[in-house]
Amino acid sequence: NAGVMQNPRHLVRRRGQEARLRCSPMKGHSHVYWYRQLPEEGLKFMVYLQKENIIDESGMPKERFSAEFPKEGPSILRIQQVVRGDSAAYFCASSPVTANTGELFFGEGSRLTVL
Amino acid sequence: DAKTTQPPSMDCAEGRAANLPCNHSTISGNEYVYWYRQIHSQGPQYIIHGLKNNETNEMASLIITEDRKSSTLILPHATLRDTAVYYCIVRVSGSGAGSYQLTFGKGTKLSVIP
Repeated sequence: NAGVMQNPRHLVRRRGQEARLRCSPMKGHSHVYWYRQLPEEGLKFMVYLQKENIIDESGMPKERFSAEFPKEGPSILRIQQVVRGDSAAYFCASSPVTANTGELFFGEGSRLTVL
Repeated sequence: DAKTTQPPSMDCAEGRAANLPCNHSTISGNEYVYWYRQIHSQGPQYIIHGLKNNETNEMASLIITEDRKSSTLILPHATLRDTAVYYCIVRVSGSGAGSYQLTFGKGTKLSVIP
């Protein structure tokens, strides 16, 4: 049973370019969460999605960031016009239902470096 | 802001029990204590959670004080693979925003020494 799959594992972008991070949840999970971890910091919640719906985006920066979870295919976190401060590890997690047990299953993360 | 306080780092000899403390003095009656760990360059991994009773699973034991203001995660026989950052998280029960907006502080960096 494959876990949460994220790709790419490492991504390098120059300032002003776009970054797209993909996340395939665990089989049978329809709830996806994105977290960001800045260097030497703990993880911070960004957004919660179900298929074709954004449920909670209260942790998303107001500009340049967007997320989707289409009916078919992986969830995508998109960062437009990246800046150096976007350099971080981006983790995706999934759960079978809203995580009322508090157990989120995390992927290995995508590490974005902005030059 | 994290509602928990943990020591920044701890060492433990391989094969010995690792006892990781956590203070959560402002915990509410409907809030659980969760523990996750993050091994270097990997995603966080759920370990255990509890409300007020002590809990044990195949990975660890969780001891919560009677007043619930603090808890201790116990890894009974630490191995080198247990070297990681351990996060103590307080989380409300139910399915609202508090169930998935886990607040990760800086955790405790546990180093298991051979």
